[in-house]
Amino acid sequence: QITLKESGPTLVKPTQTLTLTCTFSGFSLNTGGVTVGWIRQPPGEALQWLTDIYWNDNKKYSPSLRSRLTITKDTSKNQVVLTMTSMDPVDTATYYCAYSNILTGSFDYWGQGILVTVSS
Amino acid sequence: EIVLTQSPGTLSLSPGERATLSCRASQSIRSNLAWYQQKLDQAPRLLIFGASKRVTGIPDRFSGSGSGTDFTLTISRLEPEDFAVYHCQQYADSATFGRGTKVEIK
Repeated sequence: QITLKESGPTLVKPTQTLTLTCTFSGFSLNTGGVTVGWIRQPPGEALQWLTDIYWNDNKKYSPSLRSRLTITKDTSKNQVVLTMTSMDPVDTATYYCAYSNILTGSFDYWGQGILVTVSS
Repeated sequence: EIVLTQSPGTLSLSPGERATLSCRASQSIRSNLAWYQQKLDQAPRLLIFGASKRVTGIPDRFSGSGSGTDFTLTISRLEPEDFAVYHCQQYADSATFGRGTKVEIK
């Protein structure tokens, strides 16, 4: 059974750096074809894909946020870490991590999400 | 970046009716399209991948069709639990999502 769960701060101040951790079970990021991605959703708005990390450590980033994002993995801990710099109130959103694989290409399993509010 | 346009923004229907949701891509994405259902305060749930492949456990009243730039999600007979927001997502070139279609009770 595949599960994912996001953790991190729920309140950050403008200009600060956000660090979120996705802890997963039921699969390994050492397995060929496996990917973990981050997606966010501002309140009442659309989903926005942020970044993916692949089993082979390849990474993809949203072009509009590339300069602010870093994604890393720790396969021994079954964790993926997202870092986003220069946080602004417009970054207030629910942040999700999700599992994907090259067989489907879609996000097959999602974490419950974590609401991050950016406010002074 | 590939843009996905979903229409309509809101669909007002009654239980038992047929729902037809559209997703149009700004360039060809072949069949690299997924559909998700999202209920209030829940994470999205994958319904369809590869434009038309239903996920195991998803009722067969949900069907997806299309390829290239035009895609459709059809719910043949709406059940009360189907009233939700539906998102399309392309994965031909990284990933992008549409803005969603809300299916509400008329």
